[in-house]
Amino acid sequence: GAGVSQSPSNKVTEKGKDVELRCDPISGHTALYWYRQSLGQGLEFLIYFQGNSAPDKSGLPSDRFSAERTGGSVSTLTIQRTQQEDSAVYLCASSRRSGSSYEQYFGPGTRLTVT
Amino acid sequence: KQEVTQIPAALSVPEGENLVLNCSFTDSAIYNLQWFRQDPGKGLTSLLLIQSSQREQTSGRLNASLDKSSGRSTLYIAASQPGDSATYLCAVEMDSNYQLIWGAGTKLIIKP
Repeated sequence: GAGVSQSPSNKVTEKGKDVELRCDPISGHTALYWYRQSLGQGLEFLIYFQGNSAPDKSGLPSDRFSAERTGGSVSTLTIQRTQQEDSAVYLCASSRRSGSSYEQYFGPGTRLTVT
Repeated sequence: KQEVTQIPAALSVPEGENLVLNCSFTDSAIYNLQWFRQDPGKGLTSLLLIQSSQREQTSGRLNASLDKSSGRSTLYIAASQPGDSATYLCAVEMDSNYQLIWGAGTKLIIKP
């Protein structure tokens, strides 16, 4: 079946511009996660959505970052007034948080470069 | 604060050898531990997930063990192949929330 998809795969933007990154989770997965992988650093949790519950935004690095999930499916991560330190690969994952399987399935990521 | 460490950072072995990758964590209050592989320019592929109540999981040539009390997990790869070359990441999910806390990874190269 279809996996997690993300778009765009690559994004180059100028410092100060806003960007939107999109994630389509696996159908039926109620949980959705965003992570960031910066060059030379490990993965960093950003935000978590579970069903209709309020999202866990504890990992967002600043108020320039926001995310929403419409209709319990597609999610958009928005970065306002981008800075060079925002350059990273942004990864989305989804999981079926019921039963015995909690594996997170990852999309291919969006490589963001801020010039 | 949970910290996840992977040793070694890089490993290069000849094809056919069995090998072990190590992952350690400082806080034993984990919900589960996952091993992933990451190929260059691609996303993450989940390999094995071990629930906190389990001791090990096996999938093909891969075997992952978990010793929660000592804060350790190992990923055993049998009869390594060049296609196993990738970066292997371990991550723990905490009891208190659903975040994954990640190790920095082990870059594995299998030489033909």
